[in-house]
Amino acid sequence: GAVVSQHPSWVICKSGTSVKIECRSLDFQATTMFWYRQFPKQSLMLMATSNEGSKATYEQGVEKDKFLINHASLTLSTLTVTSAHPEDSSFYICSASRRGPVGEQFFGPGTRLTVL
Amino acid sequence: RKEVEQDPGPFNVPEGATVAFNCTYSNSASQSFFWYRQDCRKEPKLLMSVYSSGNEDGRFTAQLNRASQYISLLIRDSKLSDSATYLCVVPRVTMKTSYDKVIFGPGTSLSVIP
Repeated sequence: GAVVSQHPSWVICKSGTSVKIECRSLDFQATTMFWYRQFPKQSLMLMATSNEGSKATYEQGVEKDKFLINHASLTLSTLTVTSAHPEDSSFYICSASRRGPVGEQFFGPGTRLTVL
Repeated sequence: RKEVEQDPGPFNVPEGATVAFNCTYSNSASQSFFWYRQDCRKEPKLLMSVYSSGNEDGRFTAQLNRASQYISLLIRDSKLSDSATYLCVVPRVTMKTSYDKVIFGPGTSLSVIP
């Protein structure tokens, strides 16, 4: 149990385009979903926390107008990178938590974004 | 001081060796802790949870020292498949809410050598 899927697994796009990444909890209802970004040889950096039906809480330094998060249901959250630029190229990972021990998160396989 | 700090590594150890990593945290109100492992270019996966003084699962032992605010992870009889980055994770506890997010440490890289 506790499987999280992410789609797409990788994407290459031109500068200026928008990219949508989906995160789904397949066999449980996720009360909270998290979006992380990871640059090579660095740790995960939390971008935002989203709860179903409410606005996402963004971390300091993360532009909410650039990284749009929608948490439409207890099993789906989307991250849209708007007007992507090469510096947005990164590994984006979502995670989901269910009612249970604090901090126990289940991660999606990640999306590797390359902006040309 | 960073919220979560880890041994910088990398650790290069021979198969069969015992290796220990340390993690220190700054928020004394934190109650639960986690160790995740992350393989190269993959997502993190939960390895162990630590709620009291420690936890043991096969070759892996996690110990918690609340007074000194550190958690350690001990791996006995290292296998080649243990090669990964180990992430220490500490939920952030605030005054207003019991929990708002988790903080990932920078990770410690382990390479087990044949």
